[in-house]
Amino acid sequence: AQSVTQPDIHITVSEGASLELRCNYSYGATPYLFWYVQSPGQGLQLLLKYFSGDTLVQGIKGFEAEFKRSQSSFNLRKPSVHWSDAAEYFCAVGTPGGYNKLIFGAGTRLAVHP
Amino acid sequence: KAGVTQTPRYLIKTRGQQVTLSCSPISGHRSVSWYQQTPGQGLQFLFEYFSETQRNKGNFPGRFSGRQFSNSRSEMNVSTLELGDSALYLCASSFLTGDYNEQFFGPGTRLTVL
Repeated sequence: AQSVTQPDIHITVSEGASLELRCNYSYGATPYLFWYVQSPGQGLQLLLKYFSGDTLVQGIKGFEAEFKRSQSSFNLRKPSVHWSDAAEYFCAVGTPGGYNKLIFGAGTRLAVHP
Repeated sequence: KAGVTQTPRYLIKTRGQQVTLSCSPISGHRSVSWYQQTPGQGLQFLFEYFSETQRNKGNFPGRFSGRQFSNSRSEMNVSTLELGDSALYLCASSFLTGDYNEQFFGPGTRLTVL
């Protein structure tokens, strides 16, 4: 069965510092990969997705993610964090034929210090 | 363009009751998915509908059911509520018909079971 692991439950960074959120997945082939963000009281917003092709993908709000097949990872990065980036971040996978079914990781809560 | 609308936003029920939650997708979107979000289990896929047909279903008991109407609006029903059904229920819609198109999430319905 597919699974997604986000090893870090909480991360705190200073404003202006770089950020990397980790995501590892378990699936026999290359899945569809997603990063979503959830602010308090809000639904989920898609930051970026990877289906195929270039392994470095750019998303909204200055985020990027790199797919590494050998490590079964899809880590999210941002070079300089803003206070408004404080939120919960979810990595998710989908598999061919799954239509829109997403398997989510447990999430990483990001706090940003001024 | 209006986003995904979920009603009601908050709901309090008692054990044994049943509840119906409603989701109105973005205009033109024909796929609607439902997810349950709890602190303990995280985000879990419930089911997905397209053109009034359920295309995929998660691992939830039969007490959880859903349907989609011809105007793409969707409802989910939970019968014989249990304390553990307390959760944020999220609905997501997408426009394209194939695998894994961008899904837009609503703000959710917060269900509390007493």
